[in-house]
Amino acid sequence: GQNIDQPTEMTATEGAIVQINCTYQTSGFNGLFWYQQHAGEAPTFLSYNVLDGLEEKGRFSSFLSRSKGYSYLLLNELQMKDSASYLCAVQRTYKYIFGTGTRLKVLA
Amino acid sequence: DAGVIQSPRHEVTEMGQEVTLRCKPISGHNSLFWYRQTMMRGLELLIYFNNNVPIDDSGMPEDRFSAKMPNASFSTLKIQPSEPRDSAVYFCASSSGQGANFPYEQYFGPGTRLTVT
Repeated sequence: GQNIDQPTEMTATEGAIVQINCTYQTSGFNGLFWYQQHAGEAPTFLSYNVLDGLEEKGRFSSFLSRSKGYSYLLLNELQMKDSASYLCAVQRTYKYIFGTGTRLKVLA
Repeated sequence: DAGVIQSPRHEVTEMGQEVTLRCKPISGHNSLFWYRQTMMRGLELLIYFNNNVPIDDSGMPEDRFSAKMPNASFSTLKIQPSEPRDSAVYFCASSSGQGANFPYEQYFGPGTRLTVT
């Protein structure tokens, strides 16, 4: 199967840390990607994981466990501009299969 | 680099009319993707081109949808005739993927918001 599951919505406070989870069932993949999409705009690339473990990129980190079909995106020191949808995507050969996204609202 | 360019940005049309969406990928990218995004279904891949050749069109919903890529710098997605259920945001994305088994980043255009009344 190729189901990708993410929470629909999350709310957090400015300055806090938030973790967005993603689970997937797929028989094989080339990578697990995270994209950010602000309302009315295009998705933009945040990070990807190919091997198990944590990848850090500034305030954002992404973790992957291939055996568990599980990834998370960690956002540190939340800012108001982080209010957006976060899309988890599994790449299988040339194809991306996207989750429906997690809408994150950051409150002052 | 100008990024992926799409036109028009917004399109409002009546049911039954033909709609043509246009995309210019990033220069040098050999892969091009058309996606449709709705609240209910999220981002869905419609068709994938590699080196201007359609490789996978299994996501094209029905015969009313067609896509072409006559050269490396231009692609079109056509809906004829259009229906209200086609209302969505249509994204074009390109990449310089090195092969089917390598991870690669996709660059998305700004999208075309289509409304069919």
